[in-house]
Amino acid sequence: GQSLEQPSEVTAVEGAIVQINCTYQTSGFYGLSWYQQHDGGAPTFLSYNALDGLEETGRFSSFLSRSDSYGYLLLQELQMKDSASYFCAVRDNYGQNFVFGPGTRLSVLP
Amino acid sequence: GAGVSQSPSNKVTEKGKDVELRCDPISGHTALYWYRQRLGQGLEFLIYFQGNSAPDKSGLPSDRFSAERTGESVSTLTIQRTQQEDSAVYLCASSLAGGLETQYFGPGTRLLVL
Repeated sequence: GQSLEQPSEVTAVEGAIVQINCTYQTSGFYGLSWYQQHDGGAPTFLSYNALDGLEETGRFSSFLSRSDSYGYLLLQELQMKDSASYFCAVRDNYGQNFVFGPGTRLSVLP
Repeated sequence: GAGVSQSPSNKVTEKGKDVELRCDPISGHTALYWYRQRLGQGLEFLIYFQGNSAPDKSGLPSDRFSAERTGESVSTLTIQRTQQEDSAVYLCASSLAGGLETQYFGPGTRLLVL
């Protein structure tokens, strides 16, 4: 089967840096994505890693290590508006299944 | 341009009734996905349409759930004989191709089964 693990909650203060980890177990692998979801809102795409290494997009970066079945989302210069749930997601089984992690709830404190 | 739209935005129904949820994907997007999200939980994949290929129904939780898509446009998710455990937000997403790179989500339909 396939499964993803993320911390359930993370708390940090404004201006800080936070890392949200994701480990996965899949029968195949076609890339790791990250989505942000504010309470009551729809998920919005943040980043995608198909190859090992770091992808940077503004204050957000995402990292992937396929050999370790591990990735993380790095949020820098935290702002209050970053308080949301963050989901990692993988596509496996030759592109037939889409699996989202349970989500990490990030709380940014003043 | 217009994003993914879903209707209705909210639906309250009685146990045992059938419901139909509609999704209008972004024009030109060949891939369409349905997910279920229970309160405070992650997204649960239900079904995936890619172009004219047979849909991947592996995520549908029971035979009470079915979905159709007309070509590369509108999709309808039908839940027959609804149960209280069907109460959730049903999210639709579309993407330009079938990859996981970028899925654009609609606002969801909040279903409450009494």
